[in-house]
Amino acid sequence: QVQLQQSGPGLVKPSQTLSLTCAISGDSVSSNSTAWNWIRQSPSRGLEWLGRAYFRSKWYNDYSVSVKSRITINPDTSKNQFSLHLNSVTPEDAAVYYCARGTARDGVAVWGQGTTVTVSS
Amino acid sequence: QSVLTQPPSVSAAPGQKVTISCSGSSSNIGNNLVSWYQQLPGTAPKLLIYDNNKRPSGIPDRFSVSKSGTSATLGITGLQTGDEADYYCGAWDSSLSAFLFGGGTQLTVL
Repeated sequence: QVQLQQSGPGLVKPSQTLSLTCAISGDSVSSNSTAWNWIRQSPSRGLEWLGRAYFRSKWYNDYSVSVKSRITINPDTSKNQFSLHLNSVTPEDAAVYYCARGTARDGVAVWGQGTTVTVSS
Repeated sequence: QSVLTQPPSVSAAPGQKVTISCSGSSSNIGNNLVSWYQQLPGTAPKLLIYDNNKRPSGIPDRFSVSKSGTSATLGITGLQTGDEADYYCGAWDSSLSAFLFGGGTQLTVL
């Protein structure tokens, strides 16, 4: 079955860039039938979808308006993984970050284990 | 405040039925598919329902969804203590070009 394994630091300094990676097993990041998402959860903001990358003959991205100016989600086909980069972080970006596989049609069915990110100097 | 509105909490006794509403608009629930998620404490959300009312393998038919206009309702019958969790609705929003989650509903099985 499809599994997602997250990696990356749990502590980021204010104004710096939060970077997380999600390694995929059991599927291909280049699949043309699904999407690769980043979602975060905090007590103040609840579950918040940040964005996605997906391949349909070429690569596409969609991003939440709330982070659109600061976010990049990139696929890495050589390593079959995808990454999240969120720059200029503030304490408001502290959350549990999840990578996830799914679409609006099929639902978000596969989730990574979650990474707790703290923003502090 | 979430674009998809859910009640903060609901409760019912074991064996009873409970419903959780999710209210949106024509740009999301009204014209797009709805999914529902269950989140047990300390774990990642789990897909319960997709494509309005389809259940992934392993999800019992005690869980079902009805949809009308810009609202959807998750129903859980034969409540069990193991159903105590937070429940979230989700849908694509065509105006925002973004996936939205509801604010979540905490289910207590008394």
